[in-house]
Amino acid sequence: DGGITQSPKYLFRKEGQNVTLSCEQNLNHDAMYWYRQDPGQGLRLIYYSQIVNDFQKGDIAEGYSVSREKKESFPLTVTSAQKNPTAFYLCASSFREDNSPLHFGNGTRLTVT
Amino acid sequence: KNQVEQSPQSLIILEGKNCTLQCNYTVSPFSNLRWYKQDTGRGPVSLTIMTFSENTKSNGRYTATLDADTKQSSLHITASQLSDSASYICVVSPGGSARQLTFGSGTQLTVLP
Repeated sequence: DGGITQSPKYLFRKEGQNVTLSCEQNLNHDAMYWYRQDPGQGLRLIYYSQIVNDFQKGDIAEGYSVSREKKESFPLTVTSAQKNPTAFYLCASSFREDNSPLHFGNGTRLTVT
Repeated sequence: KNQVEQSPQSLIILEGKNCTLQCNYTVSPFSNLRWYKQDTGRGPVSLTIMTFSENTKSNGRYTATLDADTKQSSLHITASQLSDSASYICVVSPGGSARQLTFGSGTQLTVLP
C-alpha cells in the first residue's frame, strides 16, 4: 500500500540535543512538507520541498533544518536552537506543490525535557 | 491576515444523531476549501476538497457545503457512529500553492454510545 511513514511515533530528548524525525513516502509525490501541531492551534508549516535537492522555509522554520536528497525521503532535524520543540510533528506529501490533495503521515510526538 | 475559524471547539453527541460543524474564513483570494478528519494521535485524512464553483460535496455520511460569498463552510455528519469521534479540520487555500494553506484549529467531536 502506498503511504507516508513517520518514525518514531514517540521521541524523548533532553534539552540541548538535536533530534531527527524520519519521513518516507512511496506515493511518488514530488512535494513534501513538515508541519507542527500544537494544542488548540492550526497546523503550521515548517519547511516544504517541491523537488529533490530543493527546499524552502515555511512560516516557523527557525530552529529546524531539513534535507531532500531522495524523492522518497524528507527528514526533519529539530535543533537545540528551537525554543519550544515539544509538539506533534506531521509530514505530508502531494503530487505537486499546488492544489493537489495532501497525504499525511501519522506523526511523531516529540517531548523535550 | 488569512484566518480560518471553526465552531464549536468541541461537540458531544449521541450515536445515531446528526451534527453540523462550522468554518468561517477570511482567506483571500480563494482557491479551495478542504475538510480533514484527524483521529487522536494520527495524521489528518482528507474528506472533501471544494472549489469556488462547488456548493455541496458528499463523501458517504459526510456532506460539506460552501458559500463563497459569505466565506462560510459547514460539514454535516449524518447518523453518527462511534468511529466519527475525531477532530475535524477546515483548511483554506488562497491560491495555487499548497505552501499557503491556512488551517483551522479544529472541532473535537465525541460520539457517545
